Amino acid sequence: DTAVSQTPKYLVTQMGNDKSIKCEQNLGHDTMYWYKQDSKKFLKIMFSYNNKELIINETVPNRFSPKSPDKAHLNLHINSLELGDSAVYFCASSQVLGASTDTQYFGPGTRLTVL
Amino acid sequence: GNSVTQMEGPVTLSEEAFLTINCTYTATGYPSLFWYVQYPGEGLQLLLKATKADDKGSNKGFEATYRKETTSFHLEKGSVQVSDSAVYFCALNVGANNLFFGTGTRLTVIP
Repeated sequence: DTAVSQTPKYLVTQMGNDKSIKCEQNLGHDTMYWYKQDSKKFLKIMFSYNNKELIINETVPNRFSPKSPDKAHLNLHINSLELGDSAVYFCASSQVLGASTDTQYFGPGTRLTVL
Repeated sequence: GNSVTQMEGPVTLSEEAFLTINCTYTATGYPSLFWYVQYPGEGLQLLLKATKADDKGSNKGFEATYRKETTSFHLEKGSVQVSDSAVYFCALNVGANNLFFGTGTRLTVIP
């Protein structure tokens, strides 16, 4: 019944490694997002994506790349992990792209720790 | 630009106390406003929202009114419970591609 799910919940890895976080939504939504929550709980958008358009936050390093095999999935791939990438990453989805009234539904988060 | 300012936490209250968490915003266009809650170890859940001026969002005893004249969306609850302990985020959406979040306010309710 989980609307937005993410795996893994926890991810501990070494600097320099490449890792992926998976996200799936069963809400039939057209748009998915990735947010990063830092150690002070501040949330910032990384990407938004629907089947037509990828919007990248320009502050996101190009080591981060979203990959969407289909409308229900948006995975986050990270190359050459750095210590500063340690954070909680949240996936979210909404019905449409660009509608201010639309509610975003969030996954449970993936806590990434880079050693 | 678009931004949200929330009162600094943490906030500690006794059970049954009155809660206010202040939120003000700046926005281009006409935003919708949201309160999300993050319980310990969990993801964000929508608590309530309002999509136009003077709308009141409410859920689980929480309320917030969209005040365009003061650009505010303060969260209130008349009587908090221990189970309300969480981090509360105010957010806005102007029809761009993402939510703009405040910094979050941690609420702890003690018995």
